Amino acid sequence: DAKTTQPPSMDCAEGRAANLPCNHSTISGNEYVYWYRQIHSQGPQYIIHGLKNNETNEMASLIITEDRKSSTLILPHATLRDTAVYYCIALKTSYDKVIFGPGTSLSVIP
Amino acid sequence: EPEVTQTPSHQVTQMGQEVILRCVPISNHLYFYWYRQILGQKVEFLVSFYNNEISEKSEIFDDQFSVERPDGSNFTLKIRSTKLEDSAMYFCASLSSSSSYEQYFGPGTRLTVT
Repeated sequence: DAKTTQPPSMDCAEGRAANLPCNHSTISGNEYVYWYRQIHSQGPQYIIHGLKNNETNEMASLIITEDRKSSTLILPHATLRDTAVYYCIALKTSYDKVIFGPGTSLSVIP
Repeated sequence: EPEVTQTPSHQVTQMGQEVILRCVPISNHLYFYWYRQILGQKVEFLVSFYNNEISEKSEIFDDQFSVERPDGSNFTLKIRSTKLEDSAMYFCASLSSSSSYEQYFGPGTRLTVT
């Protein structure tokens, strides 16, 4: 699986959009970009995934660059409950083991 | 919404004792996983289980560890002789099918080995 790199931490004001970047320059054509998050001491939670096209669901939007070397997770209106560690992961299949890196610790500030 | 459940939420055991961590995956899910997270560290994969057998395991998952799906609903992780370094949060996860995309994680069991 491709290695991903993320900034270790970010802050976001409550109510504003949180844009979390991820670099995956070695991603292969059949690897999806997945995002999970872990709220303190809880189990990780799936957010969204995509291959080439931008994706949106009730939680977030995922923007993938045309060359697929990077992506951005967007939380459109961050709330305090969105404070968590966010993980960007490249996976060939959904049933692969999830390899969690250090992720980005997002702090939503009132 | 269906969810993965884990029991107990916290287990304290003495070094050298056997522990069994229990998970009830979401009904009709076919793929099962155990992960662990040592305090302050990242979540690490331990083992995946499909079709009643281990499909993949990590280097952490040595002979002291075993998994079982004894009755079609529970999925257990056994540590035969616990060590201090086994102290961690253990997460169970399940996935519906190969065409699904979301691994559902349970709330975890905090294991403390003294």
